[in-house]
Amino acid sequence: QVQLQESGPGLVKPSQTLSLTCTVSGGSISSGSYYWSWIRQPAGKGLEWIGRIYTSGSTNYNPSLKSRVTISVDTSKNQFSLKLSSVTAADTAVYYCARDDCSGGSCYPTYWGQGTLVTVSS
Amino acid sequence: SYELTQPPSVSVSPGQTARITCSGDALPKKYAYWYQQKSGQAPVLVIYEDSKRPSGIPERFSGSSSGTMATLTISGAQVEDEADYYCYSTDSSYVFGTGTKVTVL
Repeated sequence: QVQLQESGPGLVKPSQTLSLTCTVSGGSISSGSYYWSWIRQPAGKGLEWIGRIYTSGSTNYNPSLKSRVTISVDTSKNQFSLKLSSVTAADTAVYYCARDDCSGGSCYPTYWGQGTLVTVSS
Repeated sequence: SYELTQPPSVSVSPGQTARITCSGDALPKKYAYWYQQKSGQAPVLVIYEDSKRPSGIPERFSGSSSGTMATLTISGAQVEDEADYYCYSTDSSYVFGTGTKVTVL
């Protein structure tokens, strides 16, 4: 069974770039027709879709974050990554990585990581 | 930007039926998906493509969609079903619903 694990700094200073990595185990990130996503959740609030990447490098981003987000994939390490630039306190959240299945014309997260808390503070 | 609207909270007695709605303009032509999130845990997919149930999800969870509204039904709700529930769908982008806290007491 596929497992995902987020890693990265838990504290980022305002105006800097948040960088997280998701390591996939239990299967190759390149196998199958899957997308790989990032989703976040501020404390006590709802889920926000950030974006996703296919192993070909094709990406889709949330329009509200698109100018600050970059998602990349490293198939040799079975990892994909998130970079969010110019962060503010509003970017403080639990960040989840997930594997998306695609069918019926849509892609949707099926397997999720446990999440990692990132706090933006000086 | 696209929005999916859910009621903030739903309360149900054990053994009764809980219904959670999700309203979105694109739902007539796009599937709805439903996630259950218990406190401190990652979300779990409970319904996909409006009404399909992933393996391992109890039969008491069912989904339907009509027009601009999708509905998640928990028939015979159990105490362990107490959680936040989010719908998810797409229009030009992907979006989660506003979330519904289900209380079973």
